Amino acid sequence: DAKTTQPPSMDCAEGRAANLPCNHSTISGNEYVYWYRQIHSQGPQYIIHGLKNNETNEMASLIITEDRKSSTLILPHATLRDTAVYYCIVRAYQAGTALIFGKGTTLSVSS
Amino acid sequence: NAGVTQTPKFRILKIGQSMTLQCTQDMNHNYMYWYRQDPGMGLKLIYYSVGAGITDKGEVPNGYNVSRSTTEDFPLRLELAAPSQTSVYFCASIRWDRELSEQFFGPGTRLTVL
Repeated sequence: DAKTTQPPSMDCAEGRAANLPCNHSTISGNEYVYWYRQIHSQGPQYIIHGLKNNETNEMASLIITEDRKSSTLILPHATLRDTAVYYCIVRAYQAGTALIFGKGTTLSVSS
Repeated sequence: NAGVTQTPKFRILKIGQSMTLQCTQDMNHNYMYWYRQDPGMGLKLIYYSVGAGITDKGEVPNGYNVSRSTTEDFPLRLELAAPSQTSVYFCASIRWDRELSEQFFGPGTRLTVL
């Protein structure tokens, strides 16, 4: 699986958009970009995933650059409950392949 | 659906003791995984299973054993506990088919070995 690089920490004001970057310059054509988050040592929670098109769901938007070497997770209106560690993971769609977690980005949302 | 459940939530072991961490999922998922997470670190894969009766090692399997006798249950066994096994353990499951699906995680078991 391709390696990802994320900033160790970011801050965001409540109500503002949180933009979390991820670099995955060695991504290959069959690898997807996944985002998970972990709130205060709970089990990780799925947020969104994409291959090459931008994706949006009720939680967030995922913007993938045209060359697919980087992506940005956008939380449009961050709340205090969005304070968590966010993991960007690149994985090929192969049956049974486990998610490989790095250290992620610690997002702190403050009022 | 209860999702992925884990027991116990917390446990303190003495060096050399043994225990089994329980994991159950009620989503009829075929793939299940065990991860450990040390303080300030990401999750590391211990073992995984692709179905009943089939298990395989992950990144850090030493000191652990698993079994998968049913689709629902995937217990993790610690033999001869060591302080290095102090960690938070997460069980996860996913249904692999033609469509991508999300991987569900349990709430974790916090284990301390003294």
